[in-house]
Amino acid sequence: DQQVKQNSPSLSVQEGRISILNCDYTNSMFDYFLWYKKYPAEGPTFLISISSIKDKNEDGRFTVFLNKSAKHLSLHIVPSQPGDSAVYFCAAKAGNNRKLIWGLGTSLAVNP
Amino acid sequence: DTGVSQNPRHKITKRGQNVTFRCDPISEHNRLYWYRQTLGQGPEFLTYFQNEAQLEKSRLLSDRFSAERPKGSFSTLEIQRTEQGDSAMYLCASSPAAYSEGYTFGSGTRLTVV
Repeated sequence: DQQVKQNSPSLSVQEGRISILNCDYTNSMFDYFLWYKKYPAEGPTFLISISSIKDKNEDGRFTVFLNKSAKHLSLHIVPSQPGDSAVYFCAAKAGNNRKLIWGLGTSLAVNP
Repeated sequence: DTGVSQNPRHKITKRGQNVTFRCDPISEHNRLYWYRQTLGQGPEFLTYFQNEAQLEKSRLLSDRFSAERPKGSFSTLEIQRTEQGDSAMYLCASSPAAYSEGYTFGSGTRLTVV
């Protein structure tokens, strides 16, 4: 049972445009959400996170939005750059549990 | 200290052999995690240490798997009697007490069991 779902396996965006990556979750106990970026043959790299007490967190070109009632979050990248091309993972945790539950990832391709 | 270091980067072994991987976390991080990732999947949690104490172990870990962090610094993950289904990327991560900083992952060890 996939508790964190990234329903789009891939996304293609033109350079300079907005990339929107979506993530849905089923466990209402999740209270902290993270986005990671992964290049081939490398470990995931932390991008941005959001606590369930917030609905938005922004860091440079990256913004994460959380809609708790819909159990949905999204990562916006504006403007998208070719170097952003990677696999993006959404992950979640509940309370003091240190274990992260991960989605399957979305492969983003930013075309020049 | 530039990040989380994992060795080896790649390991090819014959079925039935034992393998051991090492992870050196960021020195000031007291929490260390092992995850496993197969193609097309997100990372799956294996186990977690706070200092030298192993606080949680996934049901994914059979008795053939063991992890240690003897002095609260580096950690080892051993797989005994490897099977082809053990082929995966094994990722180590560490984190400080302040969770909002997220984990820092190593580059992983790619295991291939032939």
